[in-house]
Amino acid sequence: DTEVTQTPKHLVMGMTNKKSLKCEQHMGHRAMYWYKQKAKKPPELMFVYSYEKLSINESVPSRFSPECPNSSLLNLHLHALQPEDSALYLCASSQAGTRNEKLFFGSGTQLSVL
Amino acid sequence: GENVEQHPSTLSVQEGDSAVIKCTYSDSASNYFPWYKQELGKRPQLIIDIRSNVGEKKDQRIAVTLNKTAKHFSLHITETQPEDSAVYFCAASIVGYQKVTFGTGTKLQVIP
Repeated sequence: DTEVTQTPKHLVMGMTNKKSLKCEQHMGHRAMYWYKQKAKKPPELMFVYSYEKLSINESVPSRFSPECPNSSLLNLHLHALQPEDSALYLCASSQAGTRNEKLFFGSGTQLSVL
Repeated sequence: GENVEQHPSTLSVQEGDSAVIKCTYSDSASNYFPWYKQELGKRPQLIIDIRSNVGEKKDQRIAVTLNKTAKHFSLHITETQPEDSAVYFCAASIVGYQKVTFGTGTKLQVIP
């Protein structure tokens, strides 16, 4: 299994809602990532988990809260988002602690904040 | 931090012609340079990568070259086909740091 699975594929939420994005991989990867991608722009790194510990937070607003319950799962909890947070949210995974840095991306969650 | 510039932003070629996309990076410590292809509405996928101890790498119709001194690297696609149409992102990182910086992307259109 060389896939990263993300749910849901699409999400519409109001600014007062709380929702969660989910990501799962079964490749034994111990590094997992959240990226944000606006239309016609490159992916922007938000968070990195390495061996289930948060290793990088790219100064992301606290309305985004990541969680890594185990080595296969990664969540992104959303609360009180703004319309400008509307974007494609991509999860990715890679091997950690090795020289293989290839990122495997999920298909993403297209988020619209109304 | 690292800054990656990518040119051109759009590129149209006739089927069968070659396409070249160029990137420059700012951090001389970067030593890993992947290229990702993103088709419309799909996930980015790695197509080729190169490490700083190598000057060139080929995989069938795709090749990447790296000039460490000048801090630039390029993607070459030969004998282009319509299915090569996509957005291509170059990227740079330091192995082990897990922070990949992407270029701004090149939209490649291959005209049949």
